[in-house]
Amino acid sequence: DAKTTQPNSMESNEEEPVHLPCNHSTISGTDYIHWYRQLPSQGPEYVIHGLTSNVNNRMASLAIAEDRKSSTLILHRATLRDAAVYYCILLNFGNEKLTFGTGTRLTIIP
Amino acid sequence: DGGITQSPKYLFRKEGQNVTLSCEQNLNHDAMYWYRQDPGQGLRLIYYSQIVNDFQKGDIAEGYSVSREKKESFPLTVTSAQKNPTAFYLCASVLTAGGPSTGELFFGEGSRLTVL
Repeated sequence: DAKTTQPNSMESNEEEPVHLPCNHSTISGTDYIHWYRQLPSQGPEYVIHGLTSNVNNRMASLAIAEDRKSSTLILHRATLRDAAVYYCILLNFGNEKLTFGTGTRLTIIP
Repeated sequence: DGGITQSPKYLFRKEGQNVTLSCEQNLNHDAMYWYRQDPGQGLRLIYYSQIVNDFQKGDIAEGYSVSREKKESFPLTVTSAQKNPTAFYLCASVLTAGGPSTGELFFGEGSRLTVL
């Protein structure tokens, strides 16, 4: 199974950009890179996903390395509501065993 | 509105009792998942099902059982064989056919089980 590696925790000041890294050196050509975030006592919510090209949506941007072995979730202007645990996972429609790592706990400093 | 529903939200159980957690989705998703989360920890996969009448063990299946008799439903039974059942349980589903726009994993709100 493809695995991802993320830092355990990160801090950022409010209203500044945040770059959350994820390594996935064993990624296969058909793995999509997904990011989810989880607030306390809630189920994770979808943030963004991509395959090869960089992606933008209203919540965040996803920058994918050219070799696809790493990616970075970018929150352009962090707010206190962005404090959560962020998970990077690989989703492959040919093998739907989805495993999560421990994620990155993001703390936003007012 | 389409979504995924877990029930009950909170459940208390005495030691030695089996308990079943419900997970229902009306998204027409093929694959469904059960995860367990302990305080301050990530999600660990218990069981998953890619199609009706088929399911596979995840990383921590011991003491749990599931069924997938209908596409919409994937109940999880926590049996008395599960040594530490107190945890937060999350159900999820994903549409496995189609292009990238169908790849979003939907989660329920979770069920918190406490063994007394």
